[in-house]
Amino acid sequence: AQSVAQPEDQVNVAEGNPLTVKCTYSVSGNPYLFWYVQYPNRGLQFLLKYITGDNLVKGSYGFEAEFNKSQTSFHLKKPSALVSDSALYFCAVRDGGYNKLIFGAGTRLAVHP
Amino acid sequence: DSGVTQTPKHLITATGQRVTLRCSPRSGDLSVYWYQQSLDQGLQFLIQYYNGEERAKGNILERFSAQQFPDLHSELNLSSLELGDSALYFCASSVVPAPSSGELFFGEGSRLTVL
Repeated sequence: AQSVAQPEDQVNVAEGNPLTVKCTYSVSGNPYLFWYVQYPNRGLQFLLKYITGDNLVKGSYGFEAEFNKSQTSFHLKKPSALVSDSALYFCAVRDGGYNKLIFGAGTRLAVHP
Repeated sequence: DSGVTQTPKHLITATGQRVTLRCSPRSGDLSVYWYQQSLDQGLQFLIQYYNGEERAKGNILERFSAQQFPDLHSELNLSSLELGDSALYFCASSVVPAPSSGELFFGEGSRLTVL
């Protein structure tokens, strides 16, 4: 079965510093990987996806993610964090041909002024 | 605004009761997904419908059922409610089949509290 793991419950970073939120995956076949963000009392919002092609994927709000096949990782990154980036971030993998997504446990990002 | 509408936003009920959560997908999306988000279980996939037919089933209890109607809206029925059913229930929709896509659009959720 397809799965993703987010090893960190929480990531703390100072505003202006680079941030990384980690995700590793376990899939059979080619991975379809996603990052979503959830702000308080809101639904999940799509940030970016990796289907095929370049290992560095750019997404919304200045976020990017690096796909690493040898390390089975798909880490989310941003060069300069904003306080407004503070939210819950989910990594996900597509499971099956009808776009069912399996989500990781989530990582809470806290950006401090 | 994702275009996915869920009602009600909040619901408080008692153990043993039955509730129905409603979801209207984005215009043009044929597939609807239900997820449950709780503090201890995280975001769990419950069930998926595509154009009225069930396509995938996840960790959905037998007390729960869902359907997708001809107008593509979906309902999630939760019965014999227990305290542990308290959670945020999300509906999402997408355009399928779309092998190169996979993006889901989420509603803002229905928060169920069972007392």
